[in-house]
Amino acid sequence: SQQGEEDPQALSIQEGENATMNCSYKTSINNLQWYRQNSGRGLVHLILIRSNEREKHSGRLRVTLDTSKKSSSLLITASRAADTASYFCATVARNTPLVFGKGTRLSVIA
Amino acid sequence: KAGVTQTPRYLIKTRGQQVTLSCSPISGHRSVSWYQQTPGQGLQFLFEYFSETQRNKGNFPGRFSGRQFSNSRSEMNVSTLELGDSALYLCASSWTQNTGELFFGEGSRLTVL
Repeated sequence: SQQGEEDPQALSIQEGENATMNCSYKTSINNLQWYRQNSGRGLVHLILIRSNEREKHSGRLRVTLDTSKKSSSLLITASRAADTASYFCATVARNTPLVFGKGTRLSVIA
Repeated sequence: KAGVTQTPRYLIKTRGQQVTLSCSPISGHRSVSWYQQTPGQGLQFLFEYFSETQRNKGNFPGRFSGRQFSNSRSEMNVSTLELGDSALYLCASSWTQNTGELFFGEGSRLTVL
């Protein structure tokens, strides 16, 4: 069963714009992670945020976590065509494996 | 350092056959996890192995099995294939049990005819 649910399912923006994706989950977590997947390829880890953290940055990525609302957001600033991919959130609860959402398909148009 | 290697990358089978997929983790990683990815169900957890022991298992029928060897390499097997088993099977490795960053292979794309 899916723990995380991403929103929107698909997002299309112009190069240079910011892209925001949201993830909601249902149970308490130890950490939440974001991954990227280019079409038909393996997933690449982007960032991990622990349950006691509220915000984390990595390059053009900014992740927030609100445990009271059981939600997270991923912001990609100044998007590039190379950012076109599917983005997944994955939650980790105590003694359980990573559970992935169904992802957001991001298209960045040059 | 070499990444996670999965073989074969593509394969076609017919209903009723069986298939074995292989995964070589990053050197030093002792945890290997398997996921099935389909357009309808997304990424579904199959199993996780750590030091040759299955630590977690997803909600899949007994036709799906796996194992891990002493060198951390892992295999998964699907017997009596069904059309619905067509999917991208992804293997991921990590240093410890499945709580931190996962490093994924490129996957094995299985088509069942």
